[in-house]
Amino acid sequence: GQNIDQPTEMTATEGAIVQINCTYQTSGFNGLFWYQQHAGEAPTFLSYNVLDGLEEKGRFSSFLSRSKGYSYLLLKELQMKDSASYLCAVNSAGGGNKLTFGTGTQLKVEL
Amino acid sequence: EAQVTQNPRYLITVTGKKLTVTCSQNMNHEYMSWYRQDPGLGLRQIYYSMNVEVTDKGDVPEGYKVSRKEKRNFPLILESPSPNQTSLYFCASGLAGIRQTQYFGPGTRLLVL
Repeated sequence: GQNIDQPTEMTATEGAIVQINCTYQTSGFNGLFWYQQHAGEAPTFLSYNVLDGLEEKGRFSSFLSRSKGYSYLLLKELQMKDSASYLCAVNSAGGGNKLTFGTGTQLKVEL
Repeated sequence: EAQVTQNPRYLITVTGKKLTVTCSQNMNHEYMSWYRQDPGLGLRQIYYSMNVEVTDKGDVPEGYKVSRKEKRNFPLILESPSPNQTSLYFCASGLAGIRQTQYFGPGTRLLVL
């Protein structure tokens, strides 16, 4: 079966750094995605990792360790607009696009 | 503008009354998919399509039907809706391939009484 775990909620302060963790156990692995979802809106793509290591994209970075079944999303210089749900999703299919999503981490950024 | 559109955005219906939620994309994507999102359960895949006339079940297909007669459209059909199908539904599309991201529509909030 597929299992993806993320913390349910996190709170951080504006201007700070926050790390959102994701652990996964899947029957296959073709890459891990992070999406951002503001309340009542559609998820939007943030990052994709398929090889071990850190991918940096502006204020957001994502890390992957395939041997540990572990990823994290790092958000720097937090802004109020970063308050959202962050979804971890794994592509575990043999050759298709199928994604299995975690339940998401609700991040609240406070002053 | 490249986008995925869904209609209707909001729908209240009664048990047993057939309904269709439309999904259309203008990006010439091969892959399209339907998800439902429920509190505490996250996004779960209902059905997906790798191309025209090719559809397959996702993780929670019971009570739903789909069709893919044209590349741009992927309607979701509830033949006899029940209250447990009350949910937020998202359509998504993407290029075929394991590394390709998916682009989501704005969502359809369905309430079945």
